[in-house]
Amino acid sequence: DIQMTQSPSSLSASIGDRVAITCRASQAIDNYLVWYQQKPGRAPKLLIYAASTLHNGVPSRFSGSGSETEFTLSISSLQPEDFATYYCQQTYSSPLTFGGGTRVDVK
Amino acid sequence: DVQLVESGGDLVQPGGSLKLSCAASGFAFSGSAMYWVRQASGKGPEWLGRIRTRPNNYATSYAASVRGRFTISRDDSKNATYLQMNSLKIDDTAVYYCATKAAITSDMYRYFDLWGRGTLVTVSS
Repeated sequence: DIQMTQSPSSLSASIGDRVAITCRASQAIDNYLVWYQQKPGRAPKLLIYAASTLHNGVPSRFSGSGSETEFTLSISSLQPEDFATYYCQQTYSSPLTFGGGTRVDVK
Repeated sequence: DVQLVESGGDLVQPGGSLKLSCAASGFAFSGSAMYWVRQASGKGPEWLGRIRTRPNNYATSYAASVRGRFTISRDDSKNATYLQMNSLKIDDTAVYYCATKAAITSDMYRYFDLWGRGTLVTVSS
């Protein structure tokens, strides 16, 4: 199975900050990497797929980059609604494993 | 509306069985692979398995943690997918989601753009 490791596991930031979250795959996965945002009591919400393609309706302050084993989710200017937990998921091969998550909270 | 609605979650004793349902609407269900994902309290999501479409022989795949105990099925005439869970363990306690790629695209990328709200399964004596 492909292991997905996210860092940091949590971070504190202020409105307007630039935030970066890293996801590493235990083996090369090309660009088969997805990012989700999850808020308490809600299902995950798709943000980015194919490592860098923004899902419909996702604000342009979100961006994704990387390939093979190292990926980054960036938020250019943190907004109040962005405080949440973020997960990466590899969709290169089954099982489609998720990372452990990065919680973004208020500094 | 485009949606998935899970049902069937309950309190069950260790070793027991439970069958979850996921009702789909608003998209081409029969053409979509369907997935089940669970999330224990305070943990990240865990992919459990998937069932493909009729042209792909309804092929299933499972995570090692549930293989042999859980079975995914679907009924395209009812726009529904199911998760039969047997030999339940305390560690199976979680919110269970069904999810899919509802968008019709020409690319081969898998992602979950549609999730249900989840249904809670509690395994406890």
